Formats: sequence, C-alpha cells, structure tokens
Amino acid sequence: SAVISQKPSRDICQRGTSLTIQCQVDSQVTMMFWYRQQPGQSLTLIATANQGSEATYESGFVIDKFPISRPNLTFSTLTVSNMSPEDSSIYLCSVEASYPTQETQYFGPGTRLLVL
Amino acid sequence: QKEVEQNSGPLSVPEGAIASLNCTYSDRGSQSFFWYRQYSGKSPELIMFIYSNGDKEDGRFTAQLNKASQYVSLLIRDSQPSDSATYLCAVFLGAGGGSGAGSYQLTFGKGTKLSVIP
Repeated sequence: SAVISQKPSRDICQRGTSLTIQCQVDSQVTMMFWYRQQPGQSLTLIATANQGSEATYESGFVIDKFPISRPNLTFSTLTVSNMSPEDSSIYLCSVEASYPTQETQYFGPGTRLLVL
Repeated sequence: QKEVEQNSGPLSVPEGAIASLNCTYSDRGSQSFFWYRQYSGKSPELIMFIYSNGDKEDGRFTAQLNKASQYVSLLIRDSQPSDSATYLCAVFLGAGGGSGAGSYQLTFGKGTKLSVIP
C-alpha cells in the first residue's frame, strides 16, 4: 500500500483563522480524497481531488470554506478557512489504490484540529 | 440517499470468543465491500475486502457477503484484546455511483466499537 503522510499532525487554532493541511504520497495516484471525522462519528467525505482538475465537493461543503489544491500526482492540500469551534475535527486524506481493487482507499495518519 | 448501517455497539466479547460485526447497505448496485479497523486516535486501516457472495477468510478474519440480503459481516475468531477498536464497513457503489461526481467514492457506516475483555 502507499505510504501517506500528513502535516501538521495536530494543531490548535484561533477562531477566524485558516489552516492548510498537506497530504503527501510516496507514489503517483490519480484520485485523492479529503474526509472529516468529528468526535465519535464516522467519516464524512469533503471532496475528491483529481490532478489537473478542480476538486469535486460533497453536499454541505463549499470551495470557499475548504479550498483544495492538487498540483501533482503525489500531493494535495486542504485549507480550512475562517475556522469556528465547529470545525474541530480530525481531517484525513486518502488515496485510491490499485490493490486489491482500484476503489480501495488507504488513509493518511490524520490531522487533529482544535479550534478555540 | 445511499446508506450503510452498522450497530454502533459497543460490542463486548470475552477473549478467545468469536466477534461478529454486521453491516447492511441500501443500494443493490453496490459492488465492493470493505472492512476498516480504526484504533482510538488513529486513522482507518484496511483489513478485509470482498466482492463475491460467500465467505472470504484471511487469518482470524472472515468476511461474509450476501448480496440478496444486502448484508456483509466480519467475523473475528479467537478475539484478542488487541482487536479492541472501531470497525468501519465501507461500500463502493460503482463508478459514478457516488453522491458527488467522484467515481470511486466509498460510503462508510458509522462503525461498531468492539471491546475484547481479557
């Protein structure tokens, strides 16, 4: 499976500020995904990021709040803008894999965000 | 709305017993099914994958799929305290089948918390 890293691993931020989370993969992948996992909850897909095209956002998530970049096949960023305490969550990136199937996803270690 | 349902638990089993985790899904067109394990404070880790009806075994883990009943389960034999975690069921609806435009989306259940008692 791919080796995925995320930066930062955790952060504490003030209300109204923005944080950019980086996701780096050790191999080229076409599709990368950004999820949010709020305390005690399951994974909620924020958006799908394909290299060379704009990210596709899920219902309830907008580009102004969660801008995403995908400059190449190994890297993506997610920005959480104008943060409020409700944005406190774990943010996870995942990548598609060719094994065992193309739709398999592997997850990065996550970024734990606390907004005060 | 495509749904994946899991009993949130917690499910408590004694060490050495069989843990049975269940998942149902709403979309008959679902093609592939995944089980992820998530330890507290960690990210999800893929442990099993199944796409054909029947059983698939990997060590102490067995995934069972019944597409007619829209039901997938995970059995853990000889449960160990180290198996204590939340288990997430994920379903692939097929290319283009997600709620957004992403063709390879997985839909996750809320997870079942398993506690193996020594």
